[in-house]
Order: sequence, then structure tokens, then C-alpha cells
Amino acid sequence: DQQVKQNSPSLSVQEGRISILNCDYTNSMFDYFLWYKKYPAEGPTFLISISSIKDKNEDGRFTVFLNKSAKHLSLHIVPSQPGDSAVYFCAATAWGGNEKLTFGTGTRLTIIP
Amino acid sequence: GAVVSQHPSRVICKSGTSVKIECRSLDFQATTMFWYRQFPKQSLMLMATSNEGSKATYEQGVEKDKFLINHASLTLSTLTVTSAHPEDSSFYICSAALAGGPGEQFFGPGTRLTVL
Repeated sequence: DQQVKQNSPSLSVQEGRISILNCDYTNSMFDYFLWYKKYPAEGPTFLISISSIKDKNEDGRFTVFLNKSAKHLSLHIVPSQPGDSAVYFCAATAWGGNEKLTFGTGTRLTIIP
Repeated sequence: GAVVSQHPSRVICKSGTSVKIECRSLDFQATTMFWYRQFPKQSLMLMATSNEGSKATYEQGVEKDKFLINHASLTLSTLTVTSAHPEDSSFYICSAALAGGPGEQFFGPGTRLTVL
């Protein structure tokens, strides 16, 4: 039962353009969402997060949007840079629980120079 | 800050041997540590949640007698894969949560286990 889904396994974007990565979830108990970036053979690196009381959070080139009614979130990267090429995982948790993270299946982003 | 280390980064062992992986939070105290495994091109799957001084909580389908977890201090958790077999070959990643953090975890660099 995949409670967090990233339906696009891969995405290619031209350098300088906007990258949009999508994530859907099914568990209505989730109220805190995170995006991680991962390179091969390395642990994930935290990028940005959002609480369910917000619908948008911005940090530099990264913006996360949350649509609670649709149980959907997205990560926007603009402008995209070659160093952004990696696998991106969204993750969700229920704040106040045991802080378990449920990860999506990941989207491999390739930035084309 | 918030650095998590893992040791070893890579291990190759024969079938039937046991392998211990260490996870350390270097500059903060982690009341909770998590152990994940990742198969190629798949998501990170939570194996167990480890709280300092208490028994680990295992996810459904994870054999607690096979994957022994010890969280002896606020900065160290260990995962021992007992009697490893080729199907245990995977990328094992630990993470540590800051006390009171709303889910944000800091991940170690991972350990690649290959069982021959």
C-alpha cells in the first residue's frame, strides 16, 4: 500500500527552466511534508518542508506547494541548474506521532545543459 | 550542524556471517534514530524506529531477530544483520531526528552491503 506516490519516475528539464516534481498521498493523517534530494550511493539531503497549515513554502530556488483537498504537493525548482540532477523523494509524516517518514518512490530529475 | 555518519560505507561479506553497521549523530543528541533500506531504483523503506534505551519498533515484515538494533546512547545506534544472505544485499541508511522536530530527519551517507 503506497501511501505516498510519485507517478513520474523521471523528468528531464532544460537548464534555466522550471522543474516541477509532483507527489500525491492518500493518508489524511499526514500533516507535514518534506522533500529530499538524493545522489547515488549517498543518504538523502533535506531540501524543504511544509506544514499542512500552509499551502506554500519558499526557500531560494525551491518552492513547495500543498493542495490538501487534492492530497497533492509539488516541488518547483527555478531556475534549474545542472547540479540539481538527482533523485527527489517526497516524504510525509503525521506530526505528533512517532515521526516516521513515509517516502514516495522518487523522481529522477535530469537537467540538460 | 546536524551531521549523521555511518560506518562502514561499504561491506562485502560471505553468506552466513553477521555484519554490524554503526550510525552516529556527530553534533547533536538524537532521541530517535531510524533505519531504512533501499533496493535499486526503489523508495526508502523504513525498517525500524530506534529510541535510546528502549527496544526498537520494527515495521511489518521486518524480522527483528535478523536485524538487531541497539540504541545504546543518544548519539549511537547500531544495526546488525545476522546470518546475512544474498537477498539482504541492499543499501542501508540511518537517520536521526532532533528532539521535538516535526519529522525532519538527518540522514547518514548509507552503507552498501553485498552478501556473496
